[in-house]
Order: sequence, then structure tokens, then C-alpha cells
Amino acid sequence: AAGVIQSPRHLIKEKRETATLKCYPIPRHDTVYWYQQGPGQDPQFLISFYEKMQSDKGSIPDRFSAQQFSDYHSELNMSSLELGDSALYFCASSPPRGGTNTGELFFGEGSRLTVL
Amino acid sequence: AQKVTQAQTEISVVEKEDVTLDCVYETRDTTYYLFWYKQPPSGELVFLIRRNSFDEQNEISGRYSWNFQKSTSSFNFTITASQVVDSAVYFCALSEENAGGTSYGKLTFGQGTILTVHP
Repeated sequence: AAGVIQSPRHLIKEKRETATLKCYPIPRHDTVYWYQQGPGQDPQFLISFYEKMQSDKGSIPDRFSAQQFSDYHSELNMSSLELGDSALYFCASSPPRGGTNTGELFFGEGSRLTVL
Repeated sequence: AQKVTQAQTEISVVEKEDVTLDCVYETRDTTYYLFWYKQPPSGELVFLIRRNSFDEQNEISGRYSWNFQKSTSSFNFTITASQVVDSAVYFCALSEENAGGTSYGKLTFGQGTILTVHP
């Protein structure tokens, strides 16, 4: 079965550079989520999109932006990178709400960003 | 606000021992979901279980079992006859309905418990 696809899997950037992470949700899933996990930390919710509109916002820095496109893939753009942005970034998707699949959440394998 | 507490930061056991990972949560929602994830050194989040707030039945899956008690807001995870391959970080998580009311994928994670199983 298709899973959530994230790219790139690894990314190395210098301070003050820009990075873009991509996420391809499972087909027919209508909601995409982004999470950030710093070293030794638990994953923190950043932002989510439902049907291409932002549906919720967490602890996402102003330097970060995200969007969901017409094909439902999502991109997380990070500018003016700081050392503290080094983390594992997870994307997740969920199916339309209703029935027994409500609450299901599928994570990608993550994109590891290292800022030097 | 949602909160998940995993009081055990690290647990070390010897193979074949049973081990229980504790999870206590706080929420004002009446409908919510609880999860356990395993994160091996490779980094991916491996889904173990999802339980909704209306289903307090305990569950057993092979060597894994979960005890959900709403009265104490706990969702504990037991590994029976632990194996070296069980060594990982284990996260308990609580989901809430998102601001738009369209999904339950906004998770609050606990701090994680590092489980080390020695041969």
C-alpha cells in the first residue's frame, strides 16, 4: 500500500540559507500535518492543511511557511535557517473523517535537516 | 490544553523481562485518540496502536498489551518477554480535534521513554 512520501530524506544547509521539504500524502487523504522533532525531543506539531487550506497552526516559526497544492502534496519552506532548525521533520496524512477510520494518522519516514 | 506525561525517561531491562511503560494524559475533550509509537535509532515513527476515548477495552497484540483506564487518565503499554529488538524510544501521544473540526491528527506527544533491552 502507498505510504506518505517525504523528500529529501536528508538535507544539509548553511545558516541563513533556505530549505524546502516536500510531502506526498497517501492518495485520497484530505489532511496533511507537519511535525518537527529536535534532537532528543518529542515531535512538535507545526501546521496542518485540510483540502488545501490551512486548518491549524502550532509552534511554527514566522521564518517557516507551508502550503498544500492542488494535487494535495505539501511543501514546508524554511528561510534564514538557524542552527536550532536542525531536526527531523515529519509529514503525516489522515483520511476523510467519518466511520472507523477517524483518528487514523500515517507518518512519513521523515526528512532530516542539518544546519551548519 | 492537552498534556501527555511519560514519567519514565529511561528504562533498562534484561532480555525476557516484562516491562511496562507508563503514560498519563490530560484533556478536556470528550472525544480523543491515544497512540503509542516506537522510534528506533533509524528515526522513523512506527505506529503501534490507536485507541479512541470511548473504547476502554484492553488490547493484546503478540507480546504487546495496552491498558487504557479513563478513570486514571492512563494508557500504559506492556512488553512481555522483551527482546533486544524492542530497544527504542517509545512515545505516547494524544490527539485532539483540529481548529477546523475536520480531523484528529494534531498530536501532543509525551517526552518519550528510552527503552534499552540488554542481551
